[in-house]
Amino acid sequence: NAGVMQNPRHLVRRRGQEARLRCSPMKGHSHVYWYRQLPEEGLKFMVYLQKENIIDESGMPKERFSAEFPKEGPSILRIQQVVRGDSAAYFCASSREYGTEAFFGQGTRLTVV
Amino acid sequence: QQPVQSPQAVILREGEDAVINCSSSKALYSVHWYRQKHGEAPVFLMILLKGGEQKGHEKISASFNEKKQQSSLYLTASQLSYSGTYFCGTEYAGNTGKLIFGQGTTLQVKP
Repeated sequence: NAGVMQNPRHLVRRRGQEARLRCSPMKGHSHVYWYRQLPEEGLKFMVYLQKENIIDESGMPKERFSAEFPKEGPSILRIQQVVRGDSAAYFCASSREYGTEAFFGQGTRLTVV
Repeated sequence: QQPVQSPQAVILREGEDAVINCSSSKALYSVHWYRQKHGEAPVFLMILLKGGEQKGHEKISASFNEKKQQSSLYLTASQLSYSGTYFCGTEYAGNTGKLIFGQGTTLQVKP
């Protein structure tokens, strides 16, 4: 049973470009969470999605960031017009149900140059 | 809203014990504990639900004190593999299931 799969593992973008981060949850999991982690810091909640629905996006910046979890395919975190401050590790986690254990993917390390 | 972890850092010798605390100012529904090694993903350790239960996982156990809104992680007879940063993730009643993580406690176990 494969774990949470994220790709790419590393992503380099120039300022102003778009970054697309993908997350495939564990089999049987329909809840997906995105977190951002700066070096030597904790995990900051960004957005919580279920299939085709955004449940909570209170941690997502209002501009340039968006997330989706379509009926078919992985969840996508999209960052438009990236800036240097977007450089971070972005982790995705999935859970089977509300209030159950969540498992993390290996993360995507975004570097904006 | 972010829970507060203490201590910030711990250095142990192999075989020693440690306790990591996670405190919240808001009523908790559940507490989730993770360990993260440098450059890797957080690894799930255990979940504690409202009700003050205690759980164990080999030599790592945890408790949840509902009155104090606090959870404690107990590491006994520590091993080198226990080194890493420990995060508690808290879930508040009616808060949609998202986890709010503490700032982390760095544990270093030396031979």
